[in-house]
Amino acid sequence: ILNVEQSPQSLHVQEGDSTNFTCSFPSSNFYALHWYRWETAKSPEALFVMTLNGDEKKKGRISATLNTKEGYSYLYIKGSQPEDSATYLCALIKAAGNKLTFGGGTRVLVKP
Amino acid sequence: EAGVAQSPRYKIIEKRQSVAFWCNPISGHATLYWYQQILGQGPKLLIQFQNNGVVDDSQLPKDRFSAERLKGVDSTLKIQPAKLEDSAVYLCASSSQTSLAKNIQYFGAGTRLSVL
Repeated sequence: ILNVEQSPQSLHVQEGDSTNFTCSFPSSNFYALHWYRWETAKSPEALFVMTLNGDEKKKGRISATLNTKEGYSYLYIKGSQPEDSATYLCALIKAAGNKLTFGGGTRVLVKP
Repeated sequence: EAGVAQSPRYKIIEKRQSVAFWCNPISGHATLYWYQQILGQGPKLLIQFQNNGVVDDSQLPKDRFSAERLKGVDSTLKIQPAKLEDSAVYLCASSSQTSLAKNIQYFGAGTRLSVL
């Protein structure tokens, strides 16, 4: 059974502050890691697909890094805004075409 | 391009009742997935279809859950009879051949089920 862990489970951030959170996974048999943003009552939306050790991806104020040797990925939100409030999910893929194994998510609430 | 459509959006039932969810994937997507997301946990794959054939149903509780995709397009997931622990969001996702190779899935907004 793959163990994909996300921490913290939830966090409150003041508008304008930056924050980050972690996705940990077994470093063996790594193929890819996906990050999703899931706003309440909406569809989960793909943020990043990360495949190479040392990968850094950026989309607006959100960025992510990947360390496959030690088995973790960080997601950063710079200058948080209320619209960043969502659950952020990471999902591990062991091989091409293989299923996604999700972490439990980090629920982010940005307070104005 | 229309996204993955799911209905209903919300459903409240009593335990031991039956319930069915419907999913219409993105047009042309051969692969369809059903996930169960219990509060505080990540989505868990229940079943994966390739066209109208089952690829993986290893985590589907087959004593009470069933799913079909008869014409290889839309799909229904049924729970009969429901238990309290089935309260969850049921997500449907789909992939094309191209996106499947990259493990990219497109999700619907889900059906939130409450079993009382």
